[in-house]
Amino acid sequence: GAVVSQHPSRVICKSGTSVKIECRSLDFQATTMFWYRQFPKQSLMLMATSNEGSKATYEQGVEKDKFLINHASLTLSTLTVTSAHPEDSSFYICSARQGGTEAFFGQGTRLTVV
Amino acid sequence: GDSVTQMEGPVTLSEEAFLTINCTYTATGYPSLFWYVQYPGEGLQLLLKATKADDKGSNKGFEATYRKETTSFHLEKGSVQVSDSAVYFCALSAAGNKLTFGGGTRVLVKP
Repeated sequence: GAVVSQHPSRVICKSGTSVKIECRSLDFQATTMFWYRQFPKQSLMLMATSNEGSKATYEQGVEKDKFLINHASLTLSTLTVTSAHPEDSSFYICSARQGGTEAFFGQGTRLTVV
Repeated sequence: GDSVTQMEGPVTLSEEAFLTINCTYTATGYPSLFWYVQYPGEGLQLLLKATKADDKGSNKGFEATYRKETTSFHLEKGSVQVSDSAVYFCALSAAGNKLTFGGGTRVLVKP
């Protein structure tokens, strides 16, 4: 299947700083990308959906000013956690889809805010 | 709203044992149903899917049948291997094509 690369796989940052997570579709053009958050032993929760060239659509309860999503090209979407705090520590996963086809997932990013 | 409930793990089995992971869902309309697998250190991979009632998805020896009457999509495998150790997620996709996931079930197969 298609490959989605997520980087970094792990990141530790200080409280108050911002961190950027990249999600790239390596061998296909991703018209839609999704960002999920997963708490320990819990389900994946959809944070936002982004379509290339347009603003992301955030799920209810997700702060758009805190979780900035950019989908500037058909192969790259970024999630920036701004002014991170320890409660933002989590596992973040992206997925990418071309048209209405199957969504492919990245490996996930473990964010720890200290 | 849409929701998926799957049995909590971990499920520990011996090699060649029968595996069942229960999954039930709540959704409006007629969703598509999926099972994803996440191996250690890797991303989620689609294992199988079913798009309408009574469809059976199958892959790598795993099977699941879309049961509309019981709103279920239980995953089964007749003889598991150590390499099947992973976390399994049941999911549905309804209007808008968003995926809603269950909580995941960790499966550990011992030799």
